[in-house]
Amino acid sequence: GENVEQHPSTLSVQEGDSAVIKCTYSDSASNYFPWYKQELGKRPQLIIDIRSNVGEKKDQRIAVTLNKTAKHFSLHITETQPEDSAVYFCAASLTHYGQNFVFGPGTRLSVLP
Amino acid sequence: DVKVTQSSRYLVKRTGEKVFLECVQDMDHENMFWYRQDPGLGLRLIYFSYDVKMKEKGDIPEGYSVSREKKERFSLILESASTNQTSMYLCASNKREGSRETQYFGPGTRLLVL
Repeated sequence: GENVEQHPSTLSVQEGDSAVIKCTYSDSASNYFPWYKQELGKRPQLIIDIRSNVGEKKDQRIAVTLNKTAKHFSLHITETQPEDSAVYFCAASLTHYGQNFVFGPGTRLSVLP
Repeated sequence: DVKVTQSSRYLVKRTGEKVFLECVQDMDHENMFWYRQDPGLGLRLIYFSYDVKMKEKGDIPEGYSVSREKKERFSLILESASTNQTSMYLCASNKREGSRETQYFGPGTRLLVL
């Protein structure tokens, strides 16, 4: 089955700097890769996603890149702000009827003022 | 707004007890999921259901069972709770919106098994 690894497990950056979180997946058939943000005490929420037919996607200060050949995808956050502090989870999924999401172990991002 | 609710935010149970965790979603989603969240392990899928009365095992189904008698409700059952089932349990439901497969999570149930 699918296995998703995520690095680093913790990341501290200065406010205004960029943050990059990387994930690798094992199943080349996976074709959908969402990123979720979980603030302390709250539920995970989707922030950005990418499909396997796209190499890069951007939404304001966040972007995701996908390298299908290498089976890895990354989350990029530019101009980080204190409210970006949270745990971020990547996931891989094969979207068909009744799909199964496999999540990475998470990255705790701290943005220091 | 999609709403996913879970029956309890906190539960304390004793070893051997039968535990029911309930999840309800109000958006007519076909797919519903149960995860457990543990530090350093992320979200691990226990079971999911893609239709009423249908269920599929996830990555860690041992010690758990599920029930989906109605489309909006997905129950997780611990037949005989054990201390290693102490965890945060998150329910989710899923909707496809164009190319996006958004999972909507409930607030979570923190279960402590003594």
